[in-house]
Amino acid sequence: AQKITQTQPGMFVQEKEAVTLDCTYDTSDQSYGLFWYKQPSSGEMIFLIYQGSYDEQNATEGRYSLNFQKARKSANLVISASQLGDSAMYFCAMREGWGNTPLVFGKGTRLSVIA
Amino acid sequence: NAGVTQTPKFQVLKTGQSMTLQCAQDMNHNSMYWYRQDPGMGLRLIYYSASEGTTDKGEVPNGYNVSRLNKREFSLRLESAAPSQTSVYFCASRAVGARAKNIQYFGAGTRLSVL
Repeated sequence: AQKITQTQPGMFVQEKEAVTLDCTYDTSDQSYGLFWYKQPSSGEMIFLIYQGSYDEQNATEGRYSLNFQKARKSANLVISASQLGDSAMYFCAMREGWGNTPLVFGKGTRLSVIA
Repeated sequence: NAGVTQTPKFQVLKTGQSMTLQCAQDMNHNSMYWYRQDPGMGLRLIYYSASEGTTDKGEVPNGYNVSRLNKREFSLRLESAAPSQTSVYFCASRAVGARAKNIQYFGAGTRLSVL
């Protein structure tokens, strides 16, 4: 079974609108971390936001927030006030346990922001 | 702020040729990783090194070898390149600890074509 599922291959959003990118995860560990990365057309992977499994509040970083619903095992990324520069691939990833365990990535969602 | 540096950025090989992808980080991170990214597949882990002197296989290690030369450098070697190894290769490094949140930082990637 997939550890990280991103069900939206592609999404469109109007400039200045908010958009939610879905991510569900599968783990039996109590301790885990959830990450979102952005990959623009230039190809680099840019870290956006992190949520730990024990964090009581949803993570926020500027226009990015993470809607963490532990019981549903979902960690959706919310981008507020979309900008043209937000057009990119977005990847959800998970680290299970602590220490040196690698990240497992979803297949990504391509977001296109329309003027 | 160099971060994670990968060389080369682009490479074309003929089937059967060998090459080494280089990766160096200047953030004093203990853990380093090699991923490949194929269209529609997200990022898949090839090998990782939890610390200097240790390496472990990831999800797709066949056809690759790695060397953790020192704390800074982690190289990926293709001994006999095959067309199936055409991909974009990313190196990443990570600090370990609660404050670091285990965030992985990525290099710019190497685009490899095997003909």
